[in-house]
Amino acid sequence: NAGVTQTPKFRVLKTGQSMTLLCAQDMNHEYMYWYRQDPGMGLRLIHYSVGEGTTAKGEVPDGYNVSRLKKQNFLLGLESAAPSQTSVYFCASRRGLDTQYFGPGTRLTVL
Amino acid sequence: KQEVTQIPAALSVPEGENLVLNCSFTDSAIYNLQWFRQDPGKGLTSLLLIQSSQREQTSGRLNASLDKSSGRSTLYIAASQPGDSATYLCAVSLMDTGRRALTFGSGTRLQVQP
Repeated sequence: NAGVTQTPKFRVLKTGQSMTLLCAQDMNHEYMYWYRQDPGMGLRLIHYSVGEGTTAKGEVPDGYNVSRLKKQNFLLGLESAAPSQTSVYFCASRRGLDTQYFGPGTRLTVL
Repeated sequence: KQEVTQIPAALSVPEGENLVLNCSFTDSAIYNLQWFRQDPGKGLTSLLLIQSSQREQTSGRLNASLDKSSGRSTLYIAASQPGDSATYLCAVSLMDTGRRALTFGSGTRLQVQP
């Protein structure tokens, strides 16, 4: 039981490049989330999913897209990376209103 | 819009002290509140989850209380140890339309001096 895993752990992009972050959970959770954390701040919600095939916007969705084709996977895409997207990205999952479980994070730098 | 505030932003104490971390939120319509620990460069580890109908939860040296009507929660750490050094985050789950996401405070960075 690996919990929530994220790949990659680190990535450096140039402005305008694209990439996809992968989140996987093996707990059969319905809800999955992508957050970003900037220095000295709490986590902010980018996008979320309440089940396979569904996605919705959070508080800071601009510049990101997501997909949830399989229940266990939640992908976060950056189509054209900008320096403002330099951050640490966390994926999380939960069942109902239970504890939310977090992945280890992906540290992204956009030059 | 829900806002979560944590005070103090940073705290340094000698080993063995008891300490209290504070969290306040503006909208009392919450399902539950979670306290997390985050070590530098790491992910978040859930410490305690308090349902809106509960007043407190305890785990080992940690005790979290919740006063939903006043929009406050505290995390009490007894007999602090250097290994408790980390950032502590408070987060609430809103009674919204089903998103069930968390709204986070910016955290309290704790350092326990040996």
